[in-house]
Amino acid sequence: EAGVAQSPRYKIIEKRQSVAFWCNPISGHATLYWYQQILGQGPKLLIQFQNNGVVDDSQLPKDRFSAERLKGVDSTLKIQPAKLEDSAVYLCASSPSASGNQETQYFGPGTRLLVL
Amino acid sequence: GENVEQHPSTLSVQEGDSAVIKCTYSDSASNYFPWYKQELGKRPQLIIDIRSNVGEKKDQRIAVTLNKTAKHFSLHITETQPEDSAVYFCAASDYKLSFGAGTTVTVRA
Repeated sequence: EAGVAQSPRYKIIEKRQSVAFWCNPISGHATLYWYQQILGQGPKLLIQFQNNGVVDDSQLPKDRFSAERLKGVDSTLKIQPAKLEDSAVYLCASSPSASGNQETQYFGPGTRLLVL
Repeated sequence: GENVEQHPSTLSVQEGDSAVIKCTYSDSASNYFPWYKQELGKRPQLIIDIRSNVGEKKDQRIAVTLNKTAKHFSLHITETQPEDSAVYFCAASDYKLSFGAGTTVTVRA
């Protein structure tokens, strides 16, 4: 089966600019996750969707980050305005069922963001 | 929320030797513990997982042990090979997955 797709793979922007990332999960997967992975650290969950509803966004900096999952399939993550500390790899993952957290998560290749 | 600590941060082993990575977690409600391997520039991939009703699980050269009382779990890789060189992340899930900081494993030929 096709894996999780993400684009773009790399992005360089200046601080205060905006940026958007796109994710296409594995077909039929109900749960979609966005993680932020800062260099040298483990992934940190930003937001979790079950179908098109938000389950957890407690660690999403809502003053600058937003995400949506229209029609319960693709998802976009936006940062506006970006700060230097947003430089990281943004990983999208999906898992098959709506219960989510007790099963394998399949990760995309990530988008590497550099904020100058 | 859950806090996962992982040790060591780097590990260098001779090819053929064993590697052990240890993690501790804080939330006694956590009941799912996966391990992910991330090669340089690649996506994290699940290599093994264990649930709280099991104390040990093995898959070929990889094994994971869980001690719920002490709230720690470990990854064991036997007969290490150069392709085992990567960053390994442990994670624990109560209602969401929390990752450790990672262990960079280098297998010396």
